Amino acid sequence: DGGITQSPKYLFRKEGQNVTLSCEQNLNHDAMYWYRQDPGQGLRLIYYSQIVNDFQKGDIAEGYSVSREKKESFPLTVTSAQKNPTAFYLCASTPRGYGYTFGSGTRLTVV
Amino acid sequence: EDQVTQSPEALRLQEGESSSLNCSYTVSGLRGLFWYRQDPGKGPEFLFTLYSAGEEKEKERLKATLTKKESFLHITAPKPEDSATYLCAVQAGSSGSARQLTFGSGTQLTVLP
Repeated sequence: DGGITQSPKYLFRKEGQNVTLSCEQNLNHDAMYWYRQDPGQGLRLIYYSQIVNDFQKGDIAEGYSVSREKKESFPLTVTSAQKNPTAFYLCASTPRGYGYTFGSGTRLTVV
Repeated sequence: EDQVTQSPEALRLQEGESSSLNCSYTVSGLRGLFWYRQDPGKGPEFLFTLYSAGEEKEKERLKATLTKKESFLHITAPKPEDSATYLCAVQAGSSGSARQLTFGSGTQLTVLP
């Protein structure tokens, strides 16, 4: 079945450590997105990519980095510069049209 | 700046007690309004897309409607399995080919048996 796979489901980060969240899709979608979700807040856009080797900053890109070397993959790195990384991270994709398909999310916790 | 406001923040219903969730929006040229359902610890699941005022869509006990300023998600005779957070999002004409969505903070619905 087609869909978006996010891994790991749970991730723990130590102070000063960089961690990478994986997002893979087999939907042949062009555009991919990373959102952050905090309790009581809406989803906030971190980065997005419309084509391979190209990506743009969203509303809260500071402390994060991404790459898009393959159409299927859009990994997100949470760097040590992100001071409050504890959150639920969601990856999404969309074809040339409307509506997103979301992954199941990664919950990141700072320990 | 595009804005989406959902109300109420939380809603508790008895099984069979119908109600509505509200999504108010301000956007520069609406391309689409989306409703998602999100269960705890999971990604949002697509429910509906509405494109123009007056449009309505239905799925089982859910019906979504759209005006020029707001959307309603009507829940008829809800069951406990309808308990979830319902998210509303808009896609603006200004998003261009990037097609970003702006989300509201959601309504947490609890249906008691």
